Amino acid sequence: GAVVSQHPSWVICKSGTSVKIECRSLDFQATTMFWYRQFPKQSLMLMATSNEGSKATYEQGVEKDKFLINHASLTLSTLTVTSAHPEDSSFYICSASVGTENSPLHFGNGTRLTVT
Amino acid sequence: GESVGLHLPTLSVQEGDNSIINCAYSNSASDYFIWYKQESGKGPQFIIDIRSNMDKRQGQRVTVLLNKTVKHLSLQIAATQPGDSAVYFCAEGVSGTYKYIFGTGTRLKVLA
Repeated sequence: GAVVSQHPSWVICKSGTSVKIECRSLDFQATTMFWYRQFPKQSLMLMATSNEGSKATYEQGVEKDKFLINHASLTLSTLTVTSAHPEDSSFYICSASVGTENSPLHFGNGTRLTVT
Repeated sequence: GESVGLHLPTLSVQEGDNSIINCAYSNSASDYFIWYKQESGKGPQFIIDIRSNMDKRQGQRVTVLLNKTVKHLSLQIAATQPGDSAVYFCAEGVSGTYKYIFGTGTRLKVLA
């Protein structure tokens, strides 16, 4: 149980274009989803917390207009990287929570974004 | 600021030996901790968790120890296998939120 599916697993796009990444909880309802960014050989950096039906909460230093998050249902959250630049190239990972404290996060398999 | 860190960035262990991966945390109010395993190109995979009212918890071939006095967490893997090779992260649950702070990670290399 507790499967999180992330799509696409990798994407290559040109500078200036936008890319949408989907995160779905397949067998549970995720009231809260989290989006992380991970650089090579580094830890996960929390970008934002996404709650179903409300605006996402962004971490300090993360541009909300750059990284658009939508959590339209209890099983789907999307991250759109707008006007992508090469420095946005990274590994983006989503995770989902059933929404209670002291419960583990369940992670998707990540999306490798390369901006050329 | 608040942080969760690891002592050893890389740990090499002979196949069949036991592995111990350490983690230090700084927020004494944190009450929930998780160990994750991340293989190359994949998302983190849950291994084991522990709440602050416990000091030890065992799973299949893994044991997590929590020392709240010195704010230290460790993951022990018994009879380490090649499939255990990965990066291991500890995560600290921020009390009162659903957020987790991840440590810097330790790469475990299993030598044949």
